[in-house]
Order: sequence, then C-alpha cells, then structure tokens
Amino acid sequence: SQTIHQWPATLVQPVGSPLSLECTVEGTSNPNLYWYRQAAGRGLQLLFYSVGIGQISSEVPQNLSASRPQDRQFILSSKKLLLSDSGFYLCAWSVQGGTDTQYFGPGTRLTVL
Amino acid sequence: AQSVAQPEDQVNVAEGNPLTVKCTYSVSGNPYLFWYVQYPNRGLQFLLKYITGDNLVKGSYGFEAEFNKSQTSFHLKKPSALVSDSALYFCAVRLNRDDKIIFGKGTRLHILP
Repeated sequence: SQTIHQWPATLVQPVGSPLSLECTVEGTSNPNLYWYRQAAGRGLQLLFYSVGIGQISSEVPQNLSASRPQDRQFILSSKKLLLSDSGFYLCAWSVQGGTDTQYFGPGTRLTVL
Repeated sequence: AQSVAQPEDQVNVAEGNPLTVKCTYSVSGNPYLFWYVQYPNRGLQFLLKYITGDNLVKGSYGFEAEFNKSQTSFHLKKPSALVSDSALYFCAVRLNRDDKIIFGKGTRLHILP
C-alpha cells in the first residue's frame, strides 16, 4: 500500500531564516506531487505541483520554491521566511494521468516569528 | 473558470439526526467530484468521489453524496450523525483532463451531543 510522509511535523522559525520541508511517497512510482498551504484552518491554496522529476509548476508567485530531486521526493523551500509564510503545509500525491484521488500527508505546522 | 462553492461556513447538527453539507460547482465539461474530511492538525482524508455512473455515491464512515447535474451540486449526507463526525469538510472538483483539484473553502461540521 502507498504511504506519504512529511517532516518535520512542526517547525518554528525566525523571520529571514531558510526553510526546507520534505515529502516522500512510498509504494508507488511516478506519482503527481502537490504542495498546498492552509491558513487559519480553512481553505487550501495550491502552491506547486509536479508531474515528474525536475518538472515543477508554480501556481502562486511567492517567497517559496519547490524541487523534485527524486521520483517520490518533493521539497518545499525558502531562502528567507516571511511572517506571512506561517501556516499548515500539506503534501499530496495522485496517480499520474488519470482522474484519481489525491492523498494527503499529515502536514507540517510552520510558525514564523 | 471552474470553481466550487460551499455556502455554509458551519453546520450544527444534533447527534443521531441526519446531516447535509452542501457543495455546488461550476465547470465546463464533465466534473470529477470529491469530498474530504480534515480533523484538527491532520491532513485531509478522502471520503468519496463521483466520476460517472450512479448519482448516489457511498463512501467511508457511512457518508454518501448525491451528484445532481441539473443543479450542479454534490451534497454530502449521512443518515445519523455521530459526535466523532465533527470536523472540517472539503468539497473538490477536478476536470477529467487536468491533474489539479480545486477545493472549496470548507465547512465546519459540529455534531452536538
């Protein structure tokens, strides 16, 4: 069966510091991968998605970037965090090329102080 | 442009009563529709989906949803609510040739004991 992992689970960082959040998927090959941000426990904002290694699409111009160095690894980064980067970050995967469901990881709670 | 709307920020239901969480959508083409549930500080969990076929879809935890093409709705229902159903519920829509999903803003469901 497939599983998706995210770490760290929680993170507190000062403004201006760098960020690296990691997401990995097990039990499947060549998945679509997604990064979402959820603010204030409500709506989801799609940040990035990837259909393959090195292929990243950005949905919203911002202070963040994403990379996919391996087939089942998706990384969210920032060089300098802003207060507005605080939120709950969710990674998800889906089967490529179909109508299939997205499956979500447990999330990372980021607080920027 | 495609969109999905959840008109209620919050729904309160007494335990044992039937519940409905509303969702309407606007897409061109054939929509694929999903419901997800989120418990506090957790990732989203898939409940059910409609792709094609029977308009009544049954999912996890006793939930079901009815696809109504003429009303462009996909309301989530359960015959008898449990306190443990209290959570944040998201409706989502996806085009059949798109790897991205658009999420509604979420409806917070409170089941009162």
